[in-house]
Amino acid sequence: GAVVSQHPSWVICKSGTSVKIECRSLDFQATTMFWYRQFPKQSLMLMATSNEGSKATYEQGVEKDKFLINHASLTLSTLTVTSAHPEDSSFYICSAYRVDEQYFGPGTRLTVT
Amino acid sequence: KQEVTQIPAALSVPEGENLVLNCSFTDSAIYNLQWFRQDPGKGLTSLLLIQSSQREQTSGRLNASLDKSSGRSTLYIAASQPGDSATYLCAVTNFGNEKLTFGTGTRLTIIP
Repeated sequence: GAVVSQHPSWVICKSGTSVKIECRSLDFQATTMFWYRQFPKQSLMLMATSNEGSKATYEQGVEKDKFLINHASLTLSTLTVTSAHPEDSSFYICSAYRVDEQYFGPGTRLTVT
Repeated sequence: KQEVTQIPAALSVPEGENLVLNCSFTDSAIYNLQWFRQDPGKGLTSLLLIQSSQREQTSGRLNASLDKSSGRSTLYIAASQPGDSATYLCAVTNFGNEKLTFGTGTRLTIIP
């Protein structure tokens, strides 16, 4: 149990376009999901906390207008990278919170050309 | 603000050896601590979770200990195998906060 999926697993987009990444909890409901980004050979950095039915809470330094988060249901949160630029290229990982533990998705590799 | 550090940043050991990875945190008011494994280009695999009231947890060849008062945790891997090669991350959750603060990671290479 406690499986989290992400889609797509990798995506390449052109600079200036927007990309949507989905995070789904497959076998449980999650009122809270988290979005992280990870640069090569670095640790995970929390971007934002996504709460079902309310606005996301962003960490300091994360542009909320650039990284749009929507937690429309108890099993789905989406991250949209708007007007993507090469510096947004990174590995994005989501997690879903259940009973004192976060369960992580497999990650999405975003490359902006 | 909680800060989590892992030492060493990288470690190479011959197959079969036992090894210890270290994790330290600055704020001892943690709710739990978790050890993860990450293979290159992949997501996280949870290895062990220790609640703040616990001293250690074991799973197979892995044993994690927690000394909350000193702000330290160790992950002990017995009889290492090449398949253990990965990056190991520790992360803590503080009381009243669902967020995880991740450590800097230790890149482990087991030499056949």
